[in-house]
Formats: sequence, C-alpha cells, structure tokens
Amino acid sequence: TQLLEQSPQFLSIQEGENLTVYCNSSSVFSSLQWYRQEPGEGPVLLVTVVTGGEVKKLKRLTFQFGDARKDSSLHITAAQPGDTGLYLCAGDGSGNTGKLIFGQGTTLQVKP
Amino acid sequence: EADIYQTPRYLVIGTGKKITLECSQTMGHDKMYWYQQDPGMELHLIHYSYGVNSTEKGDLSSESTVSRIRTEHFPLTLESARPSHTSQYLCASSSPRTGPKDEQYFGPGTRLTVT
Repeated sequence: TQLLEQSPQFLSIQEGENLTVYCNSSSVFSSLQWYRQEPGEGPVLLVTVVTGGEVKKLKRLTFQFGDARKDSSLHITAAQPGDTGLYLCAGDGSGNTGKLIFGQGTTLQVKP
Repeated sequence: EADIYQTPRYLVIGTGKKITLECSQTMGHDKMYWYQQDPGMELHLIHYSYGVNSTEKGDLSSESTVSRIRTEHFPLTLESARPSHTSQYLCASSSPRTGPKDEQYFGPGTRLTVT
C-alpha cells in the first residue's frame, strides 16, 4: 500500500518567517502534486513535479521532488497571512489511472 | 479556470433519509472522483469514474453509490443516511488534457451533517 506522510501536521508562525513542509513515502511515485485548501473550500492545485530532482518555483513557494521520487518538499519564503491553509501533497497512484494518494495534510497558520 | 460545481454546499438531515449530492463539471473531463474528508484531514477516495457508464469504488469503503450517465454529471447517493456519514464530500474531475499528470480540479464540497 502506497502511503504519503506529511510533516509537520500543524505549523503556526509569524508573518515574514520561512517554513518547509515535507512529504515522504517509502514508495516511488511517477509524480507528486501539491494542493492548498482553505476552510470550507475544495483543494486548489499549486504545482505538479514529475522528474526526480526537479525544483519548481511559484513566487515565494519552492517545490522540490526527491531524486528517487519518493519524497517532496514545499518551502515558503517570508510567509504571509494569505498563505494560511491546509497544504496537501498527493502522489500519482499505480499506472496512469488519475487516482491520487493524499498525505494527511499540513495546517499552516501565519499570524500577522 | 476550472468549472466544477457541487450542490448543496451544506446539508443537515435526519437519520434514515435518502440524499443525493450533486456534482457537475463543464470542462468535458472524462475522469471524475468523490472524496470524503474530515475537517483538516486527508482526502479518502470513495468513488471514481473513467467515463460514462464506468464507476468503481475507491480505497475507502462507503455505503454510498454513484452513477455516470452523462460526462458532466456524477451524483452521489446515500439510501439511508446515518450519523457516521457526517463529513465533507468533495467532487473532482481530471483529464489527460489538464496537464502532464491528470491534475484534479475540485468542487467547493458539500458539508453533510446527519442528526
């Protein structure tokens, strides 16, 4: 069974601080996606990483896919209150079925 | 921008009632999904569909049923609601055309409370 473990599960920081969220597995994934979800809404896709060692930047967010394609990280520079939300990583399951395996999520609270 | 809709957004209903949660997308996506999520927690896949007349159960066992008669519509039905069904239900869709790896677009969810 493929599992994704995220850490930390909860993070509360002050505006302007940096943070990193980790997504780890013992299984290899062909791709990993990161989503952000605000309370009462559905998740919104932030990025997809598909190549081992890949680094993608989205403004103040930096995403990295591990060389072995078993882990990923999300780094936020100078966090802002608008970054508050639930961050979910999701791995592409067996084959190109479209089915995703989600991590349990990291709740980020950025205080002004 | 993704166009996927869910109704109702909130539903409070008594035990034993039959309910249908609606999900529609206007993007022509062939794949659709239903997830169950408790507040602030991971998503669990309960149903998915690869296209019209194709439905399969997901990894999390669920007493709900689904149908896919039209590409754009993927309703979920509970024949007899119970308090254990209280949760948030999220619908999503995807297509190989949305990106390199079938990125999923989510609806806003239905928050179901069974009393």
